[in-house]
Amino acid sequence: SQTIHQWPATLVQPVGSPLSLECTVEGTSNPNLYWYRQAAGRGLQLLFYSVGIGQISSEVPQNLSASRPQDRQFILSSKKLLLSDSGFYLCALTGVGGTEAFFGQGTRLTVV
Amino acid sequence: AQSVSQHNHHVILSEAASLELGCNYSYGGTVNLFWYVQYPGQHLQLLLKYFSGDPLVKGIKGFEAEFIKSKFSFNLRKPSVQWSDTAEYFCAVNANNAGNMLTFGGGTRLMVKP
Repeated sequence: SQTIHQWPATLVQPVGSPLSLECTVEGTSNPNLYWYRQAAGRGLQLLFYSVGIGQISSEVPQNLSASRPQDRQFILSSKKLLLSDSGFYLCALTGVGGTEAFFGQGTRLTVV
Repeated sequence: AQSVSQHNHHVILSEAASLELGCNYSYGGTVNLFWYVQYPGQHLQLLLKYFSGDPLVKGIKGFEAEFIKSKFSFNLRKPSVQWSDTAEYFCAVNANNAGNMLTFGGGTRLMVKP
């Protein structure tokens, strides 16, 4: 069965510092991978979507970026964090053909 | 652009009241539809899903949803809510003509008063 490993679980970073959140998946090949941000009162916002290695779609303009160097690895990055980047970040996958989503445990990011 | 709308952001009900949460989407073509629930302090979990067939879908914990293609809707219902249904509910859609990208609605926060 599919599993998603996402780390770290919590992170406190100063404004202006870089960010790297990693997500790896097991038990599936060629998944569609997602980064979502869940902020209080703002639902689940899609940040990035990837259908394959090196293929990234950005849904929201911001100072974040994503990369997919391997089929089962999806990385969320920033060169300089802003206070507004605080939130709960979720990595997710869906299978080929649009199956239900499976979620990682999430990373609670606090920018101070 | 494709979008998923949940018009009710906050709903407050008493126990035993009936629930209906609205979900509308703007995609054309073939869609897969989902409802997820997030209980306080917990992670998202799947309530129910629709891929094809009977447009009335039964999920866990007594929830159901009806896909009405002509209205681009997939409303969630439960005849009698319980205090334990207090949670945030998310509708999600992916469409074959949108690369199967999964898009969520903004969520509806449900509070059930005992």
